[in-house]
Amino acid sequence: SQQGEEDPQALSIQEGENATMNCSYKTSINNLQWYRQNSGRGLVHLILIRSNEREKHSGRLRVTLDTSKKSSSLLITASRAADTASYFCATVTLQGAQKLVFGQGTRLTINP
Amino acid sequence: ETGVTQTPRHLVMGMTNKKSLKCEQHLGHNAMYWYKQSAKKPLELMFVYNFKEQTENNSVPSRFSPECPNSSHLFLHLHTLQPEDSALYLCASSQDSWGTSYEQYFGPGTRLTVT
Repeated sequence: SQQGEEDPQALSIQEGENATMNCSYKTSINNLQWYRQNSGRGLVHLILIRSNEREKHSGRLRVTLDTSKKSSSLLITASRAADTASYFCATVTLQGAQKLVFGQGTRLTINP
Repeated sequence: ETGVTQTPRHLVMGMTNKKSLKCEQHLGHNAMYWYKQSAKKPLELMFVYNFKEQTENNSVPSRFSPECPNSSHLFLHLHTLQPEDSALYLCASSQDSWGTSYEQYFGPGTRLTVT
């Protein structure tokens, strides 16, 4: 069954604005990862946050994790046209091998 | 470049053809993965190989046959596919498949069209 669900499914903002995407999941996790995918290309790992962490930063990216609500958010500050892509959250559950379970993604469009 | 290459990038095949997808990673990783990405569906894990051994087969139809001759190479052999198998097939690698904190590195994918 699908673990991560992103919200919104699509987001369109002006360049320079901040973009926030949310992810909800169902079962307990070891960590949660965010990936980016440019149209028709492979996924690129952005950031990993462990279940005992609440917030993590990487450049213009800020990720939060609320395990009590089983949710995470990805904030991209000062967006650029090059940030246009699909963004996916993926969870690693506590059981077994490292299986990444992906959501359907948020399609982000940055308008110049 | 992520260090994971896939060939071919595009493939059109008939339902009676046999073809193979190739993936190679130059990262020294020990785990490799095949995923299927269809329109309007989440990315689906198909197979996992860890140290050349298959550790996961996610109920994939037998018309998809993976092969992992060594930790750097992964193949997906295709035969008698159906039109609904048309999708983007992504290969990924990671340090190993038992370490839960390892991110995965993806190749650019093979866009497969079955006619």
